[in-house]
Amino acid sequence: GAVVSQHPSRVICKSGTSVKIECRSLDFQATTMFWYRQFPKQSLMLMATSNEGSKATYEQGVEKDKFLINHASLTLSTLTVTSAHPEDSSFYICSARPGQGASPLHFGNGTRLTVT
Amino acid sequence: AQSVTQLGSHVSVSEGALVLLRCNYSSSVPPYLFWYVQYPNQGLQLLLKYTSAATLVKGINGFEAEFKKSETSFHLTKPSAHMSDAAEYFCAVSDRSTGTASKLTFGTGTRLQVTL
Repeated sequence: GAVVSQHPSRVICKSGTSVKIECRSLDFQATTMFWYRQFPKQSLMLMATSNEGSKATYEQGVEKDKFLINHASLTLSTLTVTSAHPEDSSFYICSARPGQGASPLHFGNGTRLTVT
Repeated sequence: AQSVTQLGSHVSVSEGALVLLRCNYSSSVPPYLFWYVQYPNQGLQLLLKYTSAATLVKGINGFEAEFKKSETSFHLTKPSAHMSDAAEYFCAVSDRSTGTASKLTFGTGTRLQVTL
């Protein structure tokens, strides 16, 4: 149980275009989802907390207009990288937890974004 | 603010040898602690978690970790390494907030290499 599905797993786009990444909780409802970014051989950095039915909460230094988050339902959150640039190339991972508090986060398999 | 420190960005062991990956935490109150494993180009998989029940926690794939408050440590161990254990391992901490929005803070990761 507690499966988080992320799509696409890999995407290549040209500079200036936008890319949408989907994160779905398959067998549970998630009022909150988390979006992380991981640079090569580095740890995961929390970008934002996605809240169902309300605005996302962004971490300091993350551009909200650059990384648009929509959490329109209890099982789907999307991250759109707008006007992508090569420096946005990274591994993006979403996560959610089926319960509260001590319930562990479950992660999607990540999306490798390459901007050319 | 909570944080975790993973000592050693890279650990190499022989197959069959003991695995010890170190993690120290910093928190003003007893936290929740987690170990995750990441295989190349994939998301994170939960190995085990500490939520204030038994201090010795057993996880999947033969891994276990012991919470030591006096040492503020949560080291991950496995008695006998297997080639399939080669991966990146992350220690993570969260606070004891109720609800689903409790954030995870990750350590910088330790790459485990297993040699013949």
